[in-house]
Amino acid sequence: AQTVTQSQPEMSVQEAETVTLSCTYDTSESDYYLFWYKQPPSRQMILVIRQEAYKQQNATENRFSVNFQKAAKSFSLKISDSQLGDAAMYFCASPDSGTYKYIFGTGTRLKVLA
Amino acid sequence: GAGVSQTPSNKVTEKGKYVELRCDPISGHTALYWYRQSLGQGPEFLIYFQGTGAADDSGLPNDRFFAVRPEGSVSTLKIQRTERGDSAVYLCASSQLAIPSNEQFFGPGTRLTVL
Repeated sequence: AQTVTQSQPEMSVQEAETVTLSCTYDTSESDYYLFWYKQPPSRQMILVIRQEAYKQQNATENRFSVNFQKAAKSFSLKISDSQLGDAAMYFCASPDSGTYKYIFGTGTRLKVLA
Repeated sequence: GAGVSQTPSNKVTEKGKYVELRCDPISGHTALYWYRQSLGQGPEFLIYFQGTGAADDSGLPNDRFFAVRPEGSVSTLKIQRTERGDSAVYLCASSQLAIPSNEQFFGPGTRLTVL
C-alpha cells in the first residue's frame, strides 16, 4: 500500500522568512499525483499546491512551491515570505495506487513568529 | 458558490448512543468521500460514493458504521452503539470526478466526542 511520511511534527518560521516542509512517499505507480493541504484551526482542509509526477517542472502557486524529487520520492513544500496567516497544520497527500482515496501524512504544524 | 458544509459542527454523545453526521457537497459534484481524523493524525479514508451508491466502503472500521447518499447529493454517516474510540473529527469531501488528479474539496468537519 502507498505510504506518505512527514517527519517534522512541528516547524517554526519568522514572519517574512522562508520555510521548507518535508514529505516522502512510497508508491509502485509510474504516474501519480501529490498534494499539499493546509488545515487551519477552523479544520477546513484547503488545497495549497498539486504536483503531477510525470511533469518534471516543480509546481508553484504564488509564495508556495514544491521541490519534487521523483527518484528520491520526496515532495517538499517551500513557503516564501511567510505570513501570520500561514500558521496551520500542513498535510502531504497522494491518492492510493491511482485511486481517489487520499493517503495523508501525519502533518506538520507550522508556527509563524511575528 | 457554496463549499462543502457539515452539520453539526460538534457532537457530544454518550457511549452506546446512535449518531448521524450530515454532509452537503458542492452542487454538481458526483463524488463524495468520508474521512476520519483522529487527534494528531492525518485523515483516513472511510467510504466513497459515486452518485447514490457506495462505490468503496473498505475504510469503514466495522459494521457499526454506515453511510447513505439516497439522492446523490447529501450524505449521512451513521454510527451505532458509539464507543469512546470513535471520538474524532469526521471530514467530508467532494469532487467533480473520482479520479486521482481531481482536487477534493473538504468541509469543516464534525468533531464527535463520545463520553
